[in-house]
Amino acid sequence: DTGVSQNPRHKITKRGQNVTFRCDPISEHNRLYWYRQTLGQGPEFLTYFQNEAQLEKSRLLSDRFSAERPKGSFSTLEIQRTEQGDSAMYLCASSWTSGRYQETQYFGPGTRLLVL
Amino acid sequence: EDKVVQSPLSLVVHEGDTVTLNCSYEVTNFRSLLWYKQEKKAPTFLFMLTSSGIEKKSGRLSSILDKKELFSILNITATQTGDSAVYLCAARGTNAGKSTFGDGTTLTVKP
Repeated sequence: DTGVSQNPRHKITKRGQNVTFRCDPISEHNRLYWYRQTLGQGPEFLTYFQNEAQLEKSRLLSDRFSAERPKGSFSTLEIQRTEQGDSAMYLCASSWTSGRYQETQYFGPGTRLLVL
Repeated sequence: EDKVVQSPLSLVVHEGDTVTLNCSYEVTNFRSLLWYKQEKKAPTFLFMLTSSGIEKKSGRLSSILDKKELFSILNITATQTGDSAVYLCAARGTNAGKSTFGDGTTLTVKP
């Protein structure tokens, strides 16, 4: 299967701990996106990469959040000093974009985070 | 700030009914509008619309975009219980960057 994969699928942590999530995009896709979704709401954009360059970050992304895509393939999202308000589903998506051509974003299964 | 609003928030119908879901958007330098279906997991892609007035169809689902009035509709005919899900609309702006999502319409199809 060559879809977007995310690990772990579920994470329970205590407030104040750091967590890291991983996303492996579809192999030929050059763009990778992170979103956060809470119950009853649509996904909220966090950040995206084109290859290894982080091109945009949401104002929602506080300084406790950091994302990397070091070799332009997989990406990690780290949350430091987690708070209960960080509890959400973290979704990763990838797409291929070249100039004016834009392909749809395909989502991974998500990582559900619960901060106690 | 970019904004996408979907209506209704929820809808309950019986099998065989036809439904219309609405999506209005305000996005800087609009490029495309996307519809997704979400069933207790990640969103799955349905349609991407970039041009006004051109209907896209996939089986019982169809969608159309009006770039003048800044809205899109998703139609589902002859609904089935398997259509029960949250339907998300997203608008994308400059250079295919972030997508701004609406909060979705929860569709429940009763047998």
